[in-house]
Parts: sequence; C-alpha cells; structure tokens
Amino acid sequence: GENVEQHPSTLSVQEGDSAVIKCTYSDSASNYFPWYKQELGKGPQLIIDIRSNVGEKKDQRIAVTLNKTAKHFSLHITETQPEDSAVYFCAASGDGLNSGGSNYKLTFGKGTLLTVNP
Amino acid sequence: KAGVTQTPRYLIKTRGQQVTLSCSPISGHRSVSWYQQTPGQGLQFLFEYFSETQRNKGNFPGRFSGRQFSNSRSEMNVSTLELGDSALYLCASSLYQGHAPTEAFFGQGTRLTVV
Repeated sequence: GENVEQHPSTLSVQEGDSAVIKCTYSDSASNYFPWYKQELGKGPQLIIDIRSNVGEKKDQRIAVTLNKTAKHFSLHITETQPEDSAVYFCAASGDGLNSGGSNYKLTFGKGTLLTVNP
Repeated sequence: KAGVTQTPRYLIKTRGQQVTLSCSPISGHRSVSWYQQTPGQGLQFLFEYFSETQRNKGNFPGRFSGRQFSNSRSEMNVSTLELGDSALYLCASSLYQGHAPTEAFFGQGTRLTVV
C-alpha cells in the first residue's frame, strides 16, 4: 500500500520567514495530494491540494509543488504569521480505478508541528 | 453551508464495552470516510462508505465496523473496547465525482477515552 513520509516533524520559524514542509510517497498510482492544517482540539482543515497533472499550485501565501518523477511534494508558506502555528499533514490518494473502486482513502504523513514565533 | 458534524464530541467508556459514533456529512456529499488519530500512529484510514456500501477498509480488526444510511449519515461502531482504542475518531465527507479524488472535509472528531 501507499506510504507517505513527512519531514521535518517540528519546525520553528520567526514571523515573516518562510516555512517548507516536504513529503515523499511510494505509490506511483497516487494522483491527488492534499495538505491539512490541524489546530488544537479541531479536526484537520484542508488548506490546499494538487493533482498529478499539475506541477505547482498557489493560493495567497501558500503554495504546493509536486515532482511526480521523484515522488515528492512540498508545502511552502511565505510571510508566516503566528496564526499559522499548527500541525500540518500531507496526504496522498489514488484513483478509484486502481484502489479497489475507492478513491477516498487518504494516506497521511505523520505531521509537522509548525511554530511561528512573534 | 453546514460542515461535517460528529457526535458526541467526547466519550468515556470502560474496557469491554461497545460504542457508536455518528457523522453527518456536508449536504450533497455521498462519500463518508472514517479515520483514527493517535499520537503514535497518526491518522489512519478505517473505512469509506458510498451509497450505503463500504468501498474500502483499512487494516483494523473486525471490532471496528460502520454503516451508512440512505441520507448519507454514517455511524461507526467499536465493540469490546480496548485501552488502545482511545483516540480521536474523525469523519470526512467528500462530493462524489467519479473516479477522480475530490476534497475531503473533516469534522471536529469524537474523542474516545477507554478506561
């Protein structure tokens, strides 16, 4: 099955700096890669996603890049703010045709605790 | 538009008991998935339901089961609870769009503590 590795497990940055979180996946059939932000006591919140037919996607201060050949994808947060402090998870999902008819099985990385210091 | 609603938010159960958790997906979403989140194992897929049918199942023992109703609401059940079942149980709903994966939106979760 799919395996997703995420690094680093903790990341501390100064307000205004950039933060980068990296993930690798093992299954070449995976074609959907979402990123989630989880704050204490809350469920994961989808912040951005990318599909395998796209190399990069940006939404304001957040961007995600995908390298299918190397099987890795990254989350980039620019101009970090204290409210960006949370645990971030990457995930991968395959196409329904190749995953038993279900394309809604997300395999998650272990998470990155991001702390933005004022 | 209301988000994914999970009830109850917190539960305390005794070893050996069983528990039922409920999830109401976003209106119009027909796929409901369940995940277990623990500090040691992270987020792990339990199962996914679509149109009242389980389409995929993760690597959990048979004590973990679920179902989906005609209105897309879903329940999961854990029988013969063990201490290791203590976790945050998360439900996610997705809009079905054929084989292409679509965004999964999570609820707040149910925090289950087994004592």
